Amino acid sequence: DAGVIQSPRHEVTEMGQEVTLRCKPISGHNSLFWYRQTMMRGLELLIYFNNNVPIDDSGMPEDRFSAKMPNASFSTLKIQPSEPRDSAVYFCASSSSLNYEQYFGPGTRLTVT
Amino acid sequence: GIQVEQSPPDLILQEGANSTLRCNFSDSVNNLQWFHQNPWGQLINLFYIPSGTKQNGRLSATTVATERYSLLYISSSQTTDSGVYFCAVETGMDSSYKLIFGSGTRLLVRP
Repeated sequence: DAGVIQSPRHEVTEMGQEVTLRCKPISGHNSLFWYRQTMMRGLELLIYFNNNVPIDDSGMPEDRFSAKMPNASFSTLKIQPSEPRDSAVYFCASSSSLNYEQYFGPGTRLTVT
Repeated sequence: GIQVEQSPPDLILQEGANSTLRCNFSDSVNNLQWFHQNPWGQLINLFYIPSGTKQNGRLSATTVATERYSLLYISSSQTTDSGVYFCAVETGMDSSYKLIFGSGTRLLVRP
């Protein structure tokens, strides 16, 4: 079974550029989560989708961040414009409504210079 | 919101030693998971354990939901056990299934 797939694994960009992170959840899972990990704040939820619908986006830091889930097998997290303080590892996770156990992808390490 | 506290924050072991990691949480939970973040940054699922006891090889976990804590036991530690161990809980409040993470226990196993 393929796990959660994220791309790219590493992204280096300049301040002001648009960044798009991609996630493919585990097939059959109907919930998808975007988390961010930093040294200062640890792991924190950004946004959560259930059946492709955003349910909780209270963790999205500001309007520069947006997330979409156009279908059950794909989600994007976009930052426009990016800033150095957005540098972090961004994780995507998915779960099934059968037991709610979350499985994490390998993460995207974002560096904004 | 719910508070998740892990202890100890740091732990150094000699290979072959046993250890116990603790996770305290401040409210009732629907879901509790233990993760291992390896030195490459990957978050590996260890246990999904909202209550009871589970074992997987050298690792086992116990959650006492009524007393709001969970324990992760590592026996006969190996250098590959090094990394950060996270406890994460989900309360199901407001139909939200987001995980709230503790700050982790950083484990170093020396050969």
